[in-house]
Amino acid sequence: DQQVKQNSPSLSVQEGRISILNCDYTNSMFDYFLWYKKYPAEGPTFLISISSIKDKNEDGRFTVFLNKSAKHLSLHIVPSQPGDSAVYFCAASGAGGTSYGKLTFGQGTILTVHP
Amino acid sequence: DTGVSQDPRHKITKRGQNVTFRCDPISEHNRLYWYRQTLGQGPEFLTYFQNEAQLEKSRLLSDRFSAERPKGSFSTLEIQRTEQGDSAMYLCASTPQRTEAFFGQGTRLTVV
Repeated sequence: DQQVKQNSPSLSVQEGRISILNCDYTNSMFDYFLWYKKYPAEGPTFLISISSIKDKNEDGRFTVFLNKSAKHLSLHIVPSQPGDSAVYFCAASGAGGTSYGKLTFGQGTILTVHP
Repeated sequence: DTGVSQDPRHKITKRGQNVTFRCDPISEHNRLYWYRQTLGQGPEFLTYFQNEAQLEKSRLLSDRFSAERPKGSFSTLEIQRTEQGDSAMYLCASTPQRTEAFFGQGTRLTVV
């Protein structure tokens, strides 16, 4: 069962515009959510995270929104740059203790930003 | 370089052979994780260590797989009698406590 889903395999955006990547989850025990970026032949790189007690977290051009009632989160990138082109993974973690850092990932969304 | 280091980066092996991968986490991180990623999918959790103790194993980790972290520093992941279905990217990650996981560049395994 896919507990974290990214339903858009790919997204194409013009440079300077907003990129919105979406993620849905089913497990209500998840309480910490993360976005990772991955270039080919490299490991995932952490971008931004959000705790379930918040509904928004911003870091520069990146903002993550969490809608707990809908079990939905999104990553906004404004303005998008060609260097943002990569695969973006949504990930979720359960309640603290031993499960913290044990991540359940979505399938990824390939973002392409055109100059 | 103080990031997570994995060795080798690439491994091609014949079906039925044993392979071993190594992961060196960030030095002050006491938690170490192994993940597997296949084409078109996100990474999937395999197992987790806190210091030298292996605290959790996924059902994905068949009895052909074994992982160790003997002194709570580096870790090894061994696959015995490899099968073509074992072909994947094997990722290692480390984290100190309640923070994001830092991933290595992965070991790409191809079983022919």
